[in-house]
Amino acid sequence: GAVVSQHPSWVICKSGTSVKIECRSLDFQATTMFWYRQFPKQSLMLMATSNEGSKATYEQGVEKDKFLINHASLTLSTLTVTSAHPEDSSFYICSVTGQTYEQYFGPGTRLTVT
Amino acid sequence: AQSVTQPDIHITVSEGASLELRCNYSYGATPYLFWYVQSPGQGLQLLLKYFSGDTLVQGIKGFEAEFKRSQSSFNLRKPSVHWSDAAEYFCAVATMEYGNKLVFGAGTILRVKS
Repeated sequence: GAVVSQHPSWVICKSGTSVKIECRSLDFQATTMFWYRQFPKQSLMLMATSNEGSKATYEQGVEKDKFLINHASLTLSTLTVTSAHPEDSSFYICSVTGQTYEQYFGPGTRLTVT
Repeated sequence: AQSVTQPDIHITVSEGASLELRCNYSYGATPYLFWYVQSPGQGLQLLLKYFSGDTLVQGIKGFEAEFKRSQSSFNLRKPSVHWSDAAEYFCAVATMEYGNKLVFGAGTILRVKS
């Protein structure tokens, strides 16, 4: 399967600041990447579908102006949490999709907003 | 809408004992089915997948799963559990109707006692 990395693995930021999370597909050209968030002891919630060279598609209820997604190349998608607040603290995971619907996940980024 | 049910939130088994994790889905057509495993603070790893053909599929780490259309189930099994299998397990479904998005179950936390 595809190998996916995320950076940083853990970030602490102050309320009101913005933080960028990178998702890289290391051995696979990914036209589509997904961004999820996961709260403690809960399942993954799909936030958005990131499409290379075009705008991301956000799930219902996800603020597109708060969670900015850029997929500028076939190997890199970024998620920027703008004006972060404590309620944005979560575990953010990205994935790339294979040719037959399976997804390969990054190791995740834990965001803590103080 | 498609949904995935994992009825067991927690399961505890003794090391060396057999394991079965349940997964039921709600969808009219045959979906693409997946099992993922997540260790604490980590991303998800694909254990196995079912698309078509033989309804018993083999995965990594000695896991297998059986697709039963009549029961809309895709249960995960392992004949002998190792302490390193302790983790959270997610069943997921994808369908052509919803593109390549995955719908996840709530997850089952597996504890292994020695």
